[in-house]
Amino acid sequence: GQNIDQPTEMTATEGAIVQINCTYQTSGFNGLFWYQQHAGEAPTFLSYNVLDGLEEKGRFSSFLSRSKGYSYLLLKELQMKDSASYLCAVTDSNYQLIWGAGTKLIIKP
Amino acid sequence: EPEVTQTPSHQVTQMGQEVILRCVPISNHLYFYWYRQILGQKVEFLVSFYNNEISEKSEIFDDQFSVERPDGSNFTLKIRSTKLEDSAMYFCASSQLLSSNQPQHFGDGTRLSIL
Repeated sequence: GQNIDQPTEMTATEGAIVQINCTYQTSGFNGLFWYQQHAGEAPTFLSYNVLDGLEEKGRFSSFLSRSKGYSYLLLKELQMKDSASYLCAVTDSNYQLIWGAGTKLIIKP
Repeated sequence: EPEVTQTPSHQVTQMGQEVILRCVPISNHLYFYWYRQILGQKVEFLVSFYNNEISEKSEIFDDQFSVERPDGSNFTLKIRSTKLEDSAMYFCASSQLLSSNQPQHFGDGTRLSIL
């Protein structure tokens, strides 16, 4: 079966750094996406990885290791507005997006 | 920036009734999707649509559901004989190409409440 695992919830302090991990087992792999979702809102695209390594976009970076079926999203200089759920999603061999359950990130002052 | 629009934002319907959820994808996008998210749960894929036909569908997308592109801009999800468990947020998404690096852009969703 297809499976994506992320921690359910994490807590971090404003100004700090947090790493959200994601492991996946899917039928085929055509890329991994990270989306941010605020409560009651739509997911918004954050990052994409298809090759091993780190992709940096401002305060956010995403890492991929295909051999390990592992990715992480790194958020630096945390702001209160970063409080949201972070969804890991993998594109399988049929280009279907398989979603993780999301990690709820709570930022404390 | 172009965006996916969905209407209505909230739909309240009696159990057993039919509902139609509407979406206008981004104009130059070719692939369209419907997702469901039950409150507090993960996003679930329902169906993908390309070239006026369904390209993939999940186990959730049974005979109760149908999709249609009635004209050049709208993409609709019809749910027949609604059940209490159909209550959820329904997101429409679109992407330009069926390529691994093309992110799907989501609409703001329709909150469907079945009474």
